[in-house]
Amino acid sequence: GAGVSQSPRYKVAKRGQDVALRCDPISGHVSLFWYQQALGQGPEFLTYFQNEAQLDKSGLPSDRFFAERPEGSVSTLKIQRTQQEDSAVYLCASSLAQSNQPQHFGDGTRLSIL
Amino acid sequence: GNSVTQMEGPVTLSEEAFLTINCTYTATGYPSLFWYVQYPGEGLQLLLKATKADDKGSNKGFEATYRKETTSFHLEKGSVQVSDSAVYFCALSESPPGGNTPLVFGKGTRLSVIA
Repeated sequence: GAGVSQSPRYKVAKRGQDVALRCDPISGHVSLFWYQQALGQGPEFLTYFQNEAQLDKSGLPSDRFFAERPEGSVSTLKIQRTQQEDSAVYLCASSLAQSNQPQHFGDGTRLSIL
Repeated sequence: GNSVTQMEGPVTLSEEAFLTINCTYTATGYPSLFWYVQYPGEGLQLLLKATKADDKGSNKGFEATYRKETTSFHLEKGSVQVSDSAVYFCALSESPPGGNTPLVFGKGTRLSVIA
């Protein structure tokens, strides 16, 4: 079956613009995670959903970052009033709900803020 | 808090050489441990995992053993190939019953294998 799909693959925006990044998880995967990966670094956790419920948003760096998953499937990560430090690769991962289940990652969205 | 430390790269090896990438962790509970690999231009792929002490994860010739006494999960391969060139990430997650938690990653180790 299809893996985790993210779009767009690349996004260039001017500082101050709003952006929306989409994640389509593997069908049947209840858990969905967003991570931010800066150049040369490991991914860092942003937020986590179980179905439509956002259970943990402790990793969101500021109130400019907002994520939703209204129907428990597709998720959108929105960044308002983008700044240059938001430039990174944004990764989405999904998994089954049981403990010890591996997370499956999409190819990511590379965001560049000019 | 939880953290993962892995050896700095880049690591450059000749084909058929032995590979070790060191990984140590700090965790408050009993985490599951993972190695992920990122090939150029691609997303992260799970390479192997271990969920309890003394478990050995293995895949594609790679192995790692969960060592609770040394809080380590070193990645090894006996004979690397050019196609193994990638960035390798060690990661952990807590494993509460019936749930999932976010992964905590190391900074990654870039491996280049030359023919």
